[in-house]
Amino acid sequence: EVQLQQSGAELVKPGASVKLSCKTSGYTFSNYYMSWLKQMPGQNIEWIGNIYGGNGGTGYNQKFKGKATLTVDKSSSTAYMDLSSLTSEDSAVYFCARLSSYHVFDYWGQGVMVTVSS
Amino acid sequence: DIQMTQSPASLSASLGETVSIECLASEGISNDLAWYQQKSGKSPQLLIYAASRLQDGVPSRFSGSGSGTRYSLKISGMQPEDEADYFCQQSYKYPYTFGAGTKLELK
Repeated sequence: EVQLQQSGAELVKPGASVKLSCKTSGYTFSNYYMSWLKQMPGQNIEWIGNIYGGNGGTGYNQKFKGKATLTVDKSSSTAYMDLSSLTSEDSAVYFCARLSSYHVFDYWGQGVMVTVSS
Repeated sequence: DIQMTQSPASLSASLGETVSIECLASEGISNDLAWYQQKSGKSPQLLIYAASRLQDGVPSRFSGSGSGTRYSLKISGMQPEDEADYFCQQSYKYPYTFGAGTKLELK
């Protein structure tokens, strides 16, 4: 069974950074891209970027370049996303999701709420 | 970026009623269109990909159709468990973009 388990909720101060994790199981991590997505309360879903589990190759939504950095640890089948210089606009739920061969998101993590507040 | 305009923003349906949700892309997306269901407080779940292909495990009352710039999701026979938000997503061009969502409630 494919599972994506994300780290817990974060409360961070403005200007700080946060690193989110997404630990996977039930499939060959190095054969798939992992995507990260953002959903603000009651709002649309935004695609942040993809990272390939095999070699760490990345592709980003231009809107999130400089804000998000994606990495992977193949040894633990875990994907990470660093968010930097956080502002209130970064308060949202962040999801990791596996990217299928049709470039759709076929398995999702449970999501993690990031709250930016002093 | 490709804009995805979803309609209606909300609707309510009676048990057993057939429901349709539409998505209009700002340019042709060659059937690279997916539909997701998101229940309150949960992560989205893939229902339909490639415009009309049913994801494994999804009930057959869900179906997708369309071409070019216009796509639709149909639920043939509303069930209580179908109460959720529904989103479309294009994967034709980067960045992938989503519609704003349709809130479906049981009347």
